[in-house]
Amino acid sequence: DGGITQSPKYLFRKEGQNVTLSCEQNLNHDAMYWYRQDPGQGLRLIYYSQIVNDFQKGDIAEGYSVSREKKESFPLTVTSAQKNPTAFYLCASSMQTGEGQPQHFGDGTRLSIL
Amino acid sequence: AQSVAQPEDQVNVAEGNPLTVKCTYSVSGNPYLFWYVQYPNRGLQFLLKYITGDNLVKGSYGFEAEFNKSQTSFHLKKPSALVSDSALYFCAVRDRRYSSASKIIFGSGTRLSIRP
Repeated sequence: DGGITQSPKYLFRKEGQNVTLSCEQNLNHDAMYWYRQDPGQGLRLIYYSQIVNDFQKGDIAEGYSVSREKKESFPLTVTSAQKNPTAFYLCASSMQTGEGQPQHFGDGTRLSIL
Repeated sequence: AQSVAQPEDQVNVAEGNPLTVKCTYSVSGNPYLFWYVQYPNRGLQFLLKYITGDNLVKGSYGFEAEFNKSQTSFHLKKPSALVSDSALYFCAVRDRRYSSASKIIFGSGTRLSIRP
């Protein structure tokens, strides 16, 4: 089945450590996104990419980095500069053509601090 | 600036009764409007969207939503609630002048609880 796979499901980070969250899609979508979800808040956009080898900062990009070397993959690195990384991270993808295309989401990675 | 509001943090409904989850929005252009559902420890699942045409949009799992331009609202409805409908619901809006879905704005979510 087509979809988005995020791994790992749970991740723990030590002080000063960088961690990388994986996101893979087989929907042949051009655009991919990373969101952060905190309790009682909506989703906040971290980074997005509309095409391979290009990505843009979202609303809360500080302390995060991404790469888009392949159409199927959009990994997110949470760096030690992100002082409050505990959250639920969601990856999404969408088609670029067609009106009002919805986003398709993975099942998330929950990141906690050790 | 775009914004979307879900005025109720929680909605409680008895099984079999109709349910409504409210959403109002503010965009300077004509919006695309979406509803998503999230079950515990899962990603968001797309339910339905409004692009143009009929103000009543039908979606997955028996849900529907009514677009009201004068009230700038897009309330989610279902005629008869099921216990399995209990989840977190998100309304989202995007000004159609923006081609990128990166411009979508999500509401803060409404937790729907259906009691047997």
